[in-house]
Amino acid sequence: TQLLEQSPQFLSIQEGENLTVYCNSSSVFSSLQWYRQEPGEGPVLLVTVVTGGEVKKLKRLTFQFGDARKDSSLHITAAQTGDTGLYLCAVSGAGSYQLTFGKGTKLSVIP
Amino acid sequence: EAGVVQSPRYKIIEKKQPVAFWCNPISGHNTLYWYLQNLGQGPELLIRYENEEAVDDSQLPKDRFSAERLKGVDSTLKIQPAELGDSAVYLCASRGKNTGELFFGEGSRLTVL
Repeated sequence: TQLLEQSPQFLSIQEGENLTVYCNSSSVFSSLQWYRQEPGEGPVLLVTVVTGGEVKKLKRLTFQFGDARKDSSLHITAAQTGDTGLYLCAVSGAGSYQLTFGKGTKLSVIP
Repeated sequence: EAGVVQSPRYKIIEKKQPVAFWCNPISGHNTLYWYLQNLGQGPELLIRYENEEAVDDSQLPKDRFSAERLKGVDSTLKIQPAELGDSAVYLCASRGKNTGELFFGEGSRLTVL
């Protein structure tokens, strides 16, 4: 059983559209991270959320941590071609920095 | 400041041959990770070091994989002998103290023929 379920697995949209991707689990986490990985590169941290119900904004990206701290969403407004990449959520155990990743959502933004 | 450096970027070998990957973490980062990433999938942890000590190697296939971080800085990951299913990207990451952010290298892409 996968610790983290990410959906959708693939998403292809037109430039300018909005989208939301999800990261779900049956476990409760003290914090959750979102990374973006471009082809041929390593993942890069976008945000860390730690409080249930927390919302963080990073330009056109909005991240939300579920009230029960079991799930998270990433919303992108007016997608651009530069948003193309693999979006990964990751969690660590309490008091541990052993990071476990989901399988990711592969986003393609078409001009 | 330099990021995490990995080499080689690409390696093509025949099955049953040995291969080694090298990682130089960000200066001052005590924690070093090796992850395996299959195409279109998320990274999977192989081993985590705190300084020179391997604190979690439960996912490392020890019959053919080995890793070391002798002086608590650079690390090498070795596969001997390689199998077809080992074709993947091997990512190294490091983390500083009191922070949850991992910094990744560009990865080493292995193709086993």
